[in-house]
Amino acid sequence: DIVLTQSPALAVSLEQRATISCKTSQNVDNYGISYMHWYQQKPGQQPKLLIYEGSNLASGIPARFSGSGSGTDFTLTIDPVEADDIATYYCQQSKDYYTFGAGTKLELK
Amino acid sequence: QVKLLQSGAELVKPGASVKLSCKTSGFTFSTSYMSWLKQVPGPSIEWIGWIYAGDGGTNYNQKFKGKATLTVDKSSSTAYMDLSSLTSEDAAVYFCALTTEGTFDYWGQGVMVTVSS
Repeated sequence: DIVLTQSPALAVSLEQRATISCKTSQNVDNYGISYMHWYQQKPGQQPKLLIYEGSNLASGIPARFSGSGSGTDFTLTIDPVEADDIATYYCQQSKDYYTFGAGTKLELK
Repeated sequence: QVKLLQSGAELVKPGASVKLSCKTSGFTFSTSYMSWLKQVPGPSIEWIGWIYAGDGGTNYNQKFKGKATLTVDKSSSTAYMDLSSLTSEDAAVYFCALTTEGTFDYWGQGVMVTVSS
């Protein structure tokens, strides 16, 4: 299985930039596509797709969310952070079946 | 719009089975892939498997083979997951999700399964 590693938590101030990282145990790129996706989950709710294939914004997602990276190192950036963005963020790969990171909880400083 | 409505919370005895449902609307169910996922706090989210509603073809995470069985009813645009021989390890929140090109685009609200005598 491809293992995805995320930091457990990140503290950020409103209106600042948040950078959430995800490292994979194997390369998740293939033919120029990064099979890395990002989700947001608020307490008591289902996850919501934010970014697909490394850097593509899902439908209806604000442009303050962006994704970058390739190979084994990926980043989700939120700039600027708004109060509604306080949530847990998961990365997920689809290069070899589907596995998720353990999530990064975004907290206010 | 896309909607996935899951059945209510379940309390089941150890060793028993449970069938979860996921009623969908707002998209063409008969040509869609539906996944089921398990979430336990701490260990995160696990993909259980998907089913192609068109022909009932399935693909399971090896870990859940023999534990989960996925089916669909095209007439009602509903996906189902049977979980068998439940133990405390199966206590979790289970989600259904519309799956396209490796992503889980839309999710049901989740259903909590509690295993207790």
